Amino acid sequence: EVQLVESGGGLVQPGGSLRLSCTASEFTFYRYWMSWVRQAPGKGLEWVANIKGDATVKYYSDSVKGRFTISRDNAKNSLFLQMDSLGAGDTGIYYCARDSGNYFNDFWGQGTLVSVSS
Amino acid sequence: EIVLTQSPGTLSLSPGERATLSCRTSQSVSNTYLAWHQQKPGQAPRLLIYGASNRATGIPDRFSGSGSGTDFTLTISRLEPEDFAVYYCQLFVSSPPTYTFGQGTKLEIK
Repeated sequence: EVQLVESGGGLVQPGGSLRLSCTASEFTFYRYWMSWVRQAPGKGLEWVANIKGDATVKYYSDSVKGRFTISRDNAKNSLFLQMDSLGAGDTGIYYCARDSGNYFNDFWGQGTLVSVSS
Repeated sequence: EIVLTQSPGTLSLSPGERATLSCRTSQSVSNTYLAWHQQKPGQAPRLLIYGASNRATGIPDRFSGSGSGTDFTLTISRLEPEDFAVYYCQLFVSSPPTYTFGQGTKLEIK
């Protein structure tokens, strides 16, 4: 069964940085696009960024463009999200999700909580 | 930018009843690009339906998806206690290849 395990969340001050990780297993990681999706407390899902299997193509939502960087290490089956210039609006649970290759996310990790507060 | 609007915001029903959830897109989209996810409290989302009408692996047949163009529907034929959750529609946007979600419908026990 596909497994995605996020880590790296925590409490950070406004303007600070955080790096999230997602470790994947039980599938051929480099063949798949991967996404980060977040969820503010009590709110809905918001797509954040995605990255092609070979890491040559990346896209970001307008709300994080220029502040967040998605990357991956296929040798380690790992996905990352470097988050800089964090603000209160970035607080929430961050999920990594696999892109099925057929226009939907088919597997999700359990998420990691990011709290931005002074 | 395509906007997804889900209705109702909250749906109150009893076990055994039929649930009908709507997802409308602000412009016509391909069925291929529309999916539904279920999220229970404290859990990650789970894929239910892809390509507007295809059940994901392991999803019971009481869940069905339909629709085309701008109007899509998730139907739960006979509600089980474990079906009370929040449901999101998801759209793949091809240029650039990104995703957007509806705001969700909360299905609660009446």
